[in-house]
Amino acid sequence: SAVISQKPSRDICQRGTSLTIQCQVDSQVTMMFWYRQQPGQSLTLIATANQGSEATYESGFVIDKFPISRPNLTFSTLTVSNMTPEDSSIYLCSVEGHLGTLNTEAFFGQGTRLTVV
Amino acid sequence: LAKTTQPISMDSYEGQEVNITCSHNNIATNDYITWYQQFPSQGPRFIIQGYKTKVTNEVASLFIPADRKSSTLSLPRVSLSDTAVYYCLVGEGNFNKFYFGSGTKLNVKP
Repeated sequence: SAVISQKPSRDICQRGTSLTIQCQVDSQVTMMFWYRQQPGQSLTLIATANQGSEATYESGFVIDKFPISRPNLTFSTLTVSNMTPEDSSIYLCSVEGHLGTLNTEAFFGQGTRLTVV
Repeated sequence: LAKTTQPISMDSYEGQEVNITCSHNNIATNDYITWYQQFPSQGPRFIIQGYKTKVTNEVASLFIPADRKSSTLSLPRVSLSDTAVYYCLVGEGNFNKFYFGSGTKLNVKP
């Protein structure tokens, strides 16, 4: 299994500001994804974080609002830009494809609970 | 877009076997079926994955009929700690991005 560390675990931010969420994995993985989960709801895929290239965004999500970096095979960041109260949610990092294994299951971080006031 | 349909909620009692069925009519040939469990304030946790017939591990069994258009997660002898949301997902076994459906909220009562 993978150990995924997300930072911060929670934050309260002022509207109009930006927050960068970090996702660190304890081993090299092929795929990293970012999800959003609003209270009481299911998870919604935001984007696939591609190493060394621009992220692939799902419908309804754009790079200007959610810039993503992935400098290597163990680390990614998601920035929530120019925040509004509607961005209040839990943001989760997910990883798949541990190098050197046949493991295909996805592992999720504990999430970052963001409140925008 | 979610490819799966599940009951929104289910109730059970401690010690009972719980079966949660998921419909995935448009499953592709290369798609696997994966189930995740999520507790409040935690990320989803992998339970079991299968392609066809039956798969069993230490926590659950997964039954998949021949046409693979549905699957059933079976939890033997549930306890209060099994109260959680259970998600059924389909996707290619290698490096697939998952689109989550609504999930099934299982409530285990004493």
